[in-house]
Amino acid sequence: NAGVTQTPKFQVLKTGQSMTLQCAQDMNHEYMSWYRQDPGMGLRLIHYSVGAGITDQGEVPNGYNVSRSTTEDFPLRLLSAAPSQTSVYFCASSVDNYGYTFGSGTRLTVV
Amino acid sequence: KQEVTQIPAALSVPEGENLVLNCSFTDSAIYNLQWFRQDPGKGLTSLLLIQSSQREQTSGRLNASLDKSSGRSTLYIAASQPGDSATYLCAVTGNTGKLIFGQGTTLQVKP
Repeated sequence: NAGVTQTPKFQVLKTGQSMTLQCAQDMNHEYMSWYRQDPGMGLRLIHYSVGAGITDQGEVPNGYNVSRSTTEDFPLRLLSAAPSQTSVYFCASSVDNYGYTFGSGTRLTVV
Repeated sequence: KQEVTQIPAALSVPEGENLVLNCSFTDSAIYNLQWFRQDPGKGLTSLLLIQSSQREQTSGRLNASLDKSSGRSTLYIAASQPGDSATYLCAVTGNTGKLIFGQGTTLQVKP
């Protein structure tokens, strides 16, 4: 099992560019989430999903879109990148809300 | 709104000492509580998961307890080692699948 795989590991964007952070899991987990981690702010929930076709907003959803067309994949889209979106992004998954497994993260810098 | 607090924010101890990390949460209606470890620049590694019906979980030198009625959890680390140096994060889950994190305790174990 690969677990939770995030790509890319590092990315530099210019302000206004768009991109998609990829997250895939091979554990048949229904629950998937995206978090951002910033110094002094801890880990904050961006969006989450409890199954294919079902998504909901977390604490800091503005500027991000998600979709869940398959159980395995939960991509996070930045529509128009802003410097405030410079952060480390983590994807996580869980089977039936029982304990979460995290990916290794994507370090994003917006200049 | 669920809020999770971890005290202390930082802790430095000599090798071999037993130590306790504290986590408190404001809403006792949790589904489970999870302790994670994060090394600098790395992702999150799950250490222990306690379901709401459980009082404690143990793994090696780690023991986590849960008192749901008072909104508290502790992580006990026995005979600390320099390799235990990391940030320890506490997170709670409600029945919605949202994982809410504390700010973490950064532990340094000195040889």
